[in-house]
Amino acid sequence: AQKITQTQPGMFVQEKEAVTLDCTYDTSDPSYGLFWYKQPSSGEMIFLIYQGSYDQQNATEGRYSLNFQKARKSANLVISASQLGDSAMYFCAIAGGGSGGYNKLIFGAGTRLAVHP
Amino acid sequence: DADVTQTPRNRITKTGKRIMLECSQTKGHDRMYWYRQDPGLGLRLIYYSFDVKDINKGEISDGYSVSRQAQAKFSLSLESAIPNQTALYFCATRPSGEGTEAFFGQGTRLTVV
Repeated sequence: AQKITQTQPGMFVQEKEAVTLDCTYDTSDPSYGLFWYKQPSSGEMIFLIYQGSYDQQNATEGRYSLNFQKARKSANLVISASQLGDSAMYFCAIAGGGSGGYNKLIFGAGTRLAVHP
Repeated sequence: DADVTQTPRNRITKTGKRIMLECSQTKGHDRMYWYRQDPGLGLRLIYYSFDVKDINKGEISDGYSVSRQAQAKFSLSLESAIPNQTALYFCATRPSGEGTEAFFGQGTRLTVV
């Protein structure tokens, strides 16, 4: 079974500051992938970043980085230099390998981020 | 045209009615998904499929059924709609592979009265 826990229903950050959105996961699969998505108020789902469980380095994509701590089963998203356009819902997700073949993609409850000027 | 198209975009239906939500994709992906989004609960997986012969239950399949008519089409049915199925429904596709991202449709807002 796979599970994603996002314990922060809401977060706020000052513009230009960095913010960390928490994500912990649980899976019985020996290999897995972790994803972060952004959902602005317009409703579309936007892929941000991916981390494989065997990746040695933390993933980075522009202002987004993933703080992956495998022993703690955490995959926190770090947004540097926040912008007003970063205000949105953020979802963490997991896809497990093993017999599931990375097919099943499970999301967490999300964190709503508000960026203040 | 959108890569993943959901129809209808909005629907109001009465309790007990059968309703079908349709999803089609032009990306040629094998994997397709149906999720529902509720405030505070995030996206919950209803069903998923990795080819036309494969259908799998997700976290909350009770009250729902699906049909994978072709690689590009994946429909979600509510056999007898009830008010607590009022939600935003998303279809998604994803290519085969480990780290592949999912591509989402624009969502269908369903209200059951």
